[in-house]
Amino acid sequence: GAVVSQHPSRVICKSGTSVKIECRSLDFQATTMFWYRQFPKQSLMLMATSNEGSKATYEQGVEKDKFLINHASLTLSTLTVTSAHPEDSSFYICSAKKPGQARDGYTFGSGTRLTVV
Amino acid sequence: QQQVKQSPQSLIVQKGGISIINCAYENTAFDYFPWYQQFPGKGPALLIAIRPDVSEKKEGRFTISFNKSAKQFSLHIMDSQPGDSATYFCAASKGSGNTPLVFGKGTRLSVIA
Repeated sequence: GAVVSQHPSRVICKSGTSVKIECRSLDFQATTMFWYRQFPKQSLMLMATSNEGSKATYEQGVEKDKFLINHASLTLSTLTVTSAHPEDSSFYICSAKKPGQARDGYTFGSGTRLTVV
Repeated sequence: QQQVKQSPQSLIVQKGGISIINCAYENTAFDYFPWYQQFPGKGPALLIAIRPDVSEKKEGRFTISFNKSAKQFSLHIMDSQPGDSATYFCAASKGSGNTPLVFGKGTRLSVIA
């Protein structure tokens, strides 16, 4: 099966600092990965589409300078929350689809709980 | 605009009962409709999915019913168990290739003994 690993699972940072979250496809190459944000008891909201070797595509209302996405290889995408503030505290989840599979191939990471204090 | 509307927000079902969660969509370009199960602090996991060329799909205790003309689909969990207590999300996507999933708001299911 397709496995997506996300790290760290939890992170606490001080306001004003930056935090990097990694998303790796362990057993397949992913040209595209998706980043979602989920507030407590809310749905998953797409933040951006990460494209290997090119710029990410951000959803409306998501600040690209605040949420930096880098997809430097076919197995790794990173999301960096810059100058984090308490309102950025959320659950961040990445997703990728194994090439050649039907749409059932969407796999999600286990998520990263970010708390900004 | 909520592209996929899900109801109810929460649901309490007796053990052994049937849990039913409904979703409706607007975009007729959607052609893939999965359901995901999410436990607290975890990422969502695919339960079952359907495409609009069939009206029903069953996998074990989980069944999706799909009504293309009404643009609605639902998840039925038969013989609900306490271990099914989780948040369930319907989703939809369109086209082939790498298009993202659009999620409903979720339903918190509690199965009580």
